Amino acid sequence: SQQGEEDPQALSIQEGENATMNCSYKTSINNLQWYRQNSGRGLVHLILIRSNEREKHSGRLRVTLDTSKKSSSLLITASRAADTASYFCATLKAAGNKLTFGGGTRVLVKP
Amino acid sequence: SAVISQKPSRDICQRGTSLTIQCQVDSQVTMMFWYRQQPGQSLTLIATANQGSEATYESGFVIDKFPISRPNLTFSTLTVSNMSPEDSSIYLCSVEGTGGSYNEQFFGPGTRLTVL
Repeated sequence: SQQGEEDPQALSIQEGENATMNCSYKTSINNLQWYRQNSGRGLVHLILIRSNEREKHSGRLRVTLDTSKKSSSLLITASRAADTASYFCATLKAAGNKLTFGGGTRVLVKP
Repeated sequence: SAVISQKPSRDICQRGTSLTIQCQVDSQVTMMFWYRQQPGQSLTLIATANQGSEATYESGFVIDKFPISRPNLTFSTLTVSNMSPEDSSIYLCSVEGTGGSYNEQFFGPGTRLTVL
């Protein structure tokens, strides 16, 4: 297993529904970051949650972090067709400056 | 946040040739990072580039194959040398944010490389 594994690998939902994806990691972290990537383009930074935080919100996004379980979740509420993308979690280790990415979750929001 | 541009946005190259990818940032940054994203895969860090010193490469990546330049605090290049079809990927540069965005990493739009 690698640092920052995500599940599910793919998710298909109807517009208006919520989408939840999870990320697990192995080592102690400084923070965990979520990104969105549309159609193989650049990554858009969504949200950063620090190791001493448990929950953060940004618009329709809600991120939780459970350091005891070494896991995080990203919830997109009231999804829209424009949310169709791949979502990646990335961890920054407690000592270091390199991000390690998870495998990503491909989300399809059907209109 | 930082605004990052990359050139070219995409290219189709012949086997055995080399391609240099440019990354420009709108502010001075200490570290720049180069990633590779193979088709359908996640991102893998190639190397970290600091201005004024040799780049630090991750396991599986070597300087002869991926030489990197970092001439100043706003610019870096990555060269993919002696390309083969296995090098077909998206190559992305990123930088760490400053101030309130410290520890956040921001990415350029990527360079989509196809090797025939």
